[in-house]
Amino acid sequence: SQTIHQWPATLVQPVGSPLSLECTVEGTSNPNLYWYRQAAGRGLQLLFYSIGIDQISSEVPQNLSASRPQDRQFILSSKKLLLSDSGFYLCAWRISQRRTEAFFGQGTRLTVV
Amino acid sequence: QQQVKQSPQSLIVQKGGISIINCAYENTAFDYFPWYQQFPGKGPALLIAIRPDVSEKKEGRFTISFNKSAKQFSLHIMDSQPGDSATYFCAASHLVDQKLVFGQGTRLTINP
Repeated sequence: SQTIHQWPATLVQPVGSPLSLECTVEGTSNPNLYWYRQAAGRGLQLLFYSIGIDQISSEVPQNLSASRPQDRQFILSSKKLLLSDSGFYLCAWRISQRRTEAFFGQGTRLTVV
Repeated sequence: QQQVKQSPQSLIVQKGGISIINCAYENTAFDYFPWYQQFPGKGPALLIAIRPDVSEKKEGRFTISFNKSAKQFSLHIMDSQPGDSATYFCAASHLVDQKLVFGQGTRLTINP
């Protein structure tokens, strides 16, 4: 069966510090991968998505970046965090076809102080 | 730019009543429309989904109504229960690039 791992669960970082959030999927190959951010009481904002190891699309051109070093690994990074980067970050995967369910990780609660 | 617009932002329904949440989209390249349920501190989980070639899909107490010409779809929860209290998101998936975008969410509260 397929599983998705996302860590850490919570993170408190000072303004200006770097960020690295990791997401790994097991039990499938060539999944579509997604990073979302959810601000408190707000919707799910799509940040990045990837339909292949060399294909990453950005929806939000801020101080965040994403990489896919391995087929089932998706990393969200920042060189210098801003206060506005605080939120609940969610990774998701789908089988590499259209019209399929997306499975979410448990999320990372990031607080920038 | 919000690609999927969802309303209302919050909804309070009495136990046993019908909860209705609406969504609208503009991009005709969307070809898959799921609804997700999210409890506090958890990731969203798929509730029910529909393809644009059907106008309605029902699974238990949950029904999606889809109007392709109006580019609107809605979730109906029949006989709403306190355990249904959660945040609900509609979403749309792009035919070509497989982008999956979500609405702003509706916080549903079912009063006992």
